[in-house]
This record gives sequence, structure tokens and C-alpha cells, in this order.
Amino acid sequence: KAGVTQTPRYLIKTRGQQVTLSCSPISGHRSVSWYQQTPGQGLQFLFEYFSETQRNKGNFPGRFSGRQFSNSRSEMNVSTLELGDSALYLCASSSDRGHGQYFGPGTRLTVT
Amino acid sequence: AQTVTQSQPEMSVQEAETVTLSCTYDTSESDYYLFWYKQPPSRQMILVIRQEAYKQQNATENRFSVNFQKAAKSFSLKISDSQLGDAAMYFCASRIGNEKLTFGTGTRLTIIP
Repeated sequence: KAGVTQTPRYLIKTRGQQVTLSCSPISGHRSVSWYQQTPGQGLQFLFEYFSETQRNKGNFPGRFSGRQFSNSRSEMNVSTLELGDSALYLCASSSDRGHGQYFGPGTRLTVT
Repeated sequence: AQTVTQSQPEMSVQEAETVTLSCTYDTSESDYYLFWYKQPPSRQMILVIRQEAYKQQNATENRFSVNFQKAAKSFSLKISDSQLGDAAMYFCASRIGNEKLTFGTGTRLTIIP
């Protein structure tokens, strides 16, 4: 099976702009989670979607939003970008909570 | 809320030796799962090993094994015959029910040739 794919892999945006990141899970996986990873804050959970419904949400401002489509593909959107949003954004999919999450290669977002 | 603690920010081991990474977690639930993830310099997070809390037997995956002490809420990872490719950041994680996966702060493992 193909792994989790994320597009784009690298992105440079300017403060105030918005960005949309995409994640395609492993075939058959219905859960998709998003994480932000920075050197200072470590790995922080953004949200999890399961069958198109948001199942869990982290402590991020409303500028961060996501959605999941009927084919389980997911997108996350960040509006009004700030310098502090520069990070590696990781997407992970799973078939079952006990089987673990499988991660994509990440999207590195740089905000200038 | 779940908490996962990794008290060793950095560790090093000689190639071919054995190293153990520590992890403790805190939950009063009985239905939970524990995981170890590896993140090499490429930044790709890789699932190394998983453990169901209801299983007494420690999980093993090739050179990787865990020591699961349920009463002590301890979940350490043992890497045998360490190889240069094992150099990475290792994260311990737990999941209770359908709650989010909670990660520890990680342990950076260096392999000394």
C-alpha cells in the first residue's frame, strides 16, 4: 500500500496570507490527524478527523481549521499567517486507534 | 488528560550495544495503547512498536522491544545491537480510547561508531 502523502512538501508564504495543506491517507484509513512540529514547542496536536467529522481538537486558535472529504483525504487551512506558524506540519492516518498512526513526510511551511 | 513523560532528553550508545529509553505515562483508564515512534533527520515519523495495555506480554519487533510495567505506568524501549541508522529522535506516545494521541517530548539518541 502507498503511504501517507502530503502536498506540497515545501511552502513559503508571507504574513497575512492563508495556506491550504493536503493529506492523502493510506488506503482504507478513515482517521486523519494533523500535528505542528517546531523546535521550541515540539510536537503539538492540531485536530483529528474520522469519517468526515472532527473527533478531537487541540489548543490552536481558530485560524487553524481542517476538513475531511468522503474519500478520507484531508486538508488543513491556516488563515492570516503569522511568523510563528512557520513549522513542519505532519499528517498521520490510522485504521484503528490501537494500530498506531502512520505519518506522512510533512509539509515545511515558512512564513516571512 | 493524558501525560507522557520522557525524562532523558538525550542519550548515546556505542554501535552494537544495547540502550534503553525511558517513558512513563499517567492514566487511570484501562483501555489504552502505547507506542514508540522514531524520527530520523529526514523528519519522517516512523512507528517502531506498539503495545496494548490489556496484553501482559511485552511487544517485540526485531531489535526493538519494550518493557511494559503497567502498575508502574512505565513503557521503556530497548534497542539491541544498535546500528548507525538507529540515530534519531524517539517519541513515546499513548492513546486512551478515541482521545488524541499524546506524545512525550522525545529522546535524542546518538550512536557512537
